[in-house]
Amino acid sequence: DAGVIQSPRHEVTEMGQEVTLRCKPISGHNSLFWYRQTMMRGLELLIYFNNNVPIDDSGMPEDRFSAKMPNASFSTLKIQPSEPRDSAVYFCASSPQGNQPQHFGDGTRLSIL
Amino acid sequence: AQSVTQLDSHVSVSEGTPVLLRCNYSSSYSPSLFWYVQHPNKGLQLLLKYTSAATLVKGINGFEAEFKKSETSFHLTKPSAHMSDAAEYFCVVSVSGTYKYIFGTGTRLKVLA
Repeated sequence: DAGVIQSPRHEVTEMGQEVTLRCKPISGHNSLFWYRQTMMRGLELLIYFNNNVPIDDSGMPEDRFSAKMPNASFSTLKIQPSEPRDSAVYFCASSPQGNQPQHFGDGTRLSIL
Repeated sequence: AQSVTQLDSHVSVSEGTPVLLRCNYSSSYSPSLFWYVQHPNKGLQLLLKYTSAATLVKGINGFEAEFKKSETSFHLTKPSAHMSDAAEYFCVVSVSGTYKYIFGTGTRLKVLA
């Protein structure tokens, strides 16, 4: 079975550029999560979607970050404009229902120069 | 409020010897607890989950964990370490059985030849 698929796996860009991270959840899962992982702060939940609707975006750092889920098989996380402090590994995860175990993608390693 | 504490940031074992990774939790409710493993440049993979059905939980790759309510512990064990077990391990509690995960700070397991 295909797991959660994220693209790109690595992204290096300059400060001020727009960055778009993509995620395809596991088919049939109705919950989708975006996380950020850094050495200093560990894993942080950025946003949670249920049935394509954002339920909890309290972890989104600021207005520069936005996330969409136009359909059940695709989600994006966008940063505009990007800053060096946004450098981190961003994970997408999905689960069959919100309270069931989450399955993680392999992440996007983002470096903002 | 729920919380989770991983007692060791680093553990080293020799190949073929037992593994013990320690996790204590705090929860006002009957908790949902998980262990995840993260190999380098990979996402988090679910090893096992506790959801009150049985106190001894068996997971993948020979790992198991025992839920001890009296000690508020959920330690991860494996009888014999393999080189491929070298990774970072996260103990996770689900807030009131919801989508919201609280992650431990992680234990990096090193396996010596």
